Amino acid sequence: AQSVTQLDSQVPVFEEAPVELRCNYSSSVSVYLFWYVQYPNQGLQLLLKYLSGSTLVKGINGFEAEFNKSQTSFHLRKPSVHISDTAEYFCAVSSLQTGANNLFFGTGTRLTVIP
Amino acid sequence: DAGVIQSPRHEVTEMGQEVTLRCKPISGHNSLFWYRQTMMRGLELLIYFNNNVPIDDSGMPEDRFSAKMPNASFSTLKIQPSEPRDSAVYFCASSLARQGVAKNIQYFGAGTRLSVL
Repeated sequence: AQSVTQLDSQVPVFEEAPVELRCNYSSSVSVYLFWYVQYPNQGLQLLLKYLSGSTLVKGINGFEAEFNKSQTSFHLRKPSVHISDTAEYFCAVSSLQTGANNLFFGTGTRLTVIP
Repeated sequence: DAGVIQSPRHEVTEMGQEVTLRCKPISGHNSLFWYRQTMMRGLELLIYFNNNVPIDDSGMPEDRFSAKMPNASFSTLKIQPSEPRDSAVYFCASSLARQGVAKNIQYFGAGTRLSVL
């Protein structure tokens, strides 16, 4: 089975400052990793994904994440945040096993960008 | 692409009433997921279907909840009878389950906000 831990439930950060949202996963098999973003009163949108290849993954809106297999982490980063980045961010993991296409979500991190 | 379409967007009902939530997945997708989101419990997977067949319903809270997928383009989540603790945002998501890049990427609808009074 897979599980995801998002260590920070809330992260306040000033506008134009860098941010890192932490995600650690647990799995006995190889996995796919995802970050989703949820803006207020909306559904979840895919921000970026790691399926294979380069461990540094770039997504939309200037976000990137790095897959670290030895530390079982997939932290999300942005060098300079905007007010519009205020949202809830979810890390998710899925097994590579054929037919197992359900996602396991973390509890979310609420990013608040302060003007 | 129209994306995943959920209806209604908002539902207010009284305790004891039947509630039916609807979802139209993205055309061509063969997996469909129902989630519930609350402040207390976060995002919970209720049930998911592959090729219209329920695969895992272990997240369904109790017998009051049922889900169906009569065809590839439509699914319902029904609560009967509804209770105040069912108040939440319910999301539907779909994906194309096959080997390759698209595997496991889920696309979410805008959700249905349910309030049971």
